[in-house]
Amino acid sequence: EAQLVESGGGLVQPGKSLRLSCAASGFTFDDYAMHWVRQVPGKGLEWVAGISWNSGMKGYEDSLRGRFTISRDNTKNALYLQMNNLRLEDTALYYCAKDKYSSYDRGFMDVWGQGTLVTVSS
Amino acid sequence: QSALTQPASVSGSPGQSITISCTGANTDVGTFNLVSWYQQRPGKAPRLMIYDATERPSGVSNRFSGSKSGSTASLTISGLQAEDEADYYCCSYGGRFNLVFGGGTKLTVL
Repeated sequence: EAQLVESGGGLVQPGKSLRLSCAASGFTFDDYAMHWVRQVPGKGLEWVAGISWNSGMKGYEDSLRGRFTISRDNTKNALYLQMNNLRLEDTALYYCAKDKYSSYDRGFMDVWGQGTLVTVSS
Repeated sequence: QSALTQPASVSGSPGQSITISCTGANTDVGTFNLVSWYQQRPGKAPRLMIYDATERPSGVSNRFSGSKSGSTASLTISGLQAEDEADYYCCSYGGRFNLVFGGGTKLTVL
């Protein structure tokens, strides 16, 4: 069974950095694109970033480009999100999601983790 | 880029059908069939219900169906059941190597 487990969330001060990780199992990781999606508690879903199967294509929500970087290590079946210069408004539950296809731009997320909570506060 | 527009809430009685709309622009929903729908129950991760605007993943009930006309995609749930009560989100390719979600619709089964 395909499974995704996020880690790395926590309490961080504004302006600091944090790296989220997502461990994948139960499927051939390097066949599929991956995504990060976030959700402020009680609010809607927001796509953060996506990466193709071989890291050849990456995309970001416009307002996050330059501060957030998505990457993957297919040898470790792992997805990452490097978040720099964090702001109060980045506080959210961050989900890792697998795409049905190898390119992220279709956005068909068929497996999701349970999320890792990032709280930005002084 | 603005989120896709969904009604904040819809409701229906058991056995009825409801439709949730998702309105975008010519640059996203209007140009591409790359629309997906997600169900999210309280405290749970989202679940893919429809992809490619009309396709249903294996394991999803055939009571769920998707359609698209112009810049508006729709999710229809027929034979409403209590277990369908959840938040529903649409998602589309945004046209600039990005994806965009709708604001979400809360479905209440009366």
